[in-house]
Amino acid sequence: NAGVTQTPKFQVLKTGQSMTLQCAQDMNHNSMYWYRQDPGMGLRLIYYSASEGTTDKGEVPNGYNVSRLNKREFSLRLESAAPSQTSVYFCASSEVLGGQGGIYGYTFGSGTRLTVV
Amino acid sequence: GENVEQHPSTLSVQEGDSAVIKCTYSDSASNYFPWYKQELGKRPQLIIDIRSNVGEKKDQRIAVTLNKTAKHFSLHITETQPEDSAVYFCAAKDRFQKLVFGTGTRLLVSP
Repeated sequence: NAGVTQTPKFQVLKTGQSMTLQCAQDMNHNSMYWYRQDPGMGLRLIYYSASEGTTDKGEVPNGYNVSRLNKREFSLRLESAAPSQTSVYFCASSEVLGGQGGIYGYTFGSGTRLTVV
Repeated sequence: GENVEQHPSTLSVQEGDSAVIKCTYSDSASNYFPWYKQELGKRPQLIIDIRSNVGEKKDQRIAVTLNKTAKHFSLHITETQPEDSAVYFCAAKDRFQKLVFGTGTRLLVSP
């Protein structure tokens, strides 16, 4: 049981290059998320997917696209990388409990440290 | 939407002292408040959470309190140890079932 797996762990891109960050979870969770973490700014939501087949914008979606490929996988794509996208990216998943339960705490992947030069 | 503020941004204590981190939230509909610990270079990990139908929850040296009326919640760590040194994040679940995070508190416990 690996939890949430992210690849790659490190990446350096040149401005204007594209790349896709991969995320997969094996906990049968319905909801998946992409966050970016910058010093002093906490974790900011880029996109999320409440369930297979749906995606929605978060707080900072500009410059990113996502694909919920199936229940397990949720990818994040940078079409034309910019230095402002230098950050640590975390994927997370959670289960939604019924009734008043709401979501359970997220499980995070190990992160991708992206540098755009 | 939901907004979460966290204070202080840094906290230095001596080993054995208590540490308190405070957060406020804006959406009265929020009903789930987790706390995460992130060690250097690692992923955030859930350490404790509380739902709005309780006012306090404890787990060994860690406790969380919630004041729904004032819309604030706090993390209390007693008998701090050097291994408690990390960045701590509070979060609140918004009405769309997403977590909104505070900006983090860097806790340093000196031996």
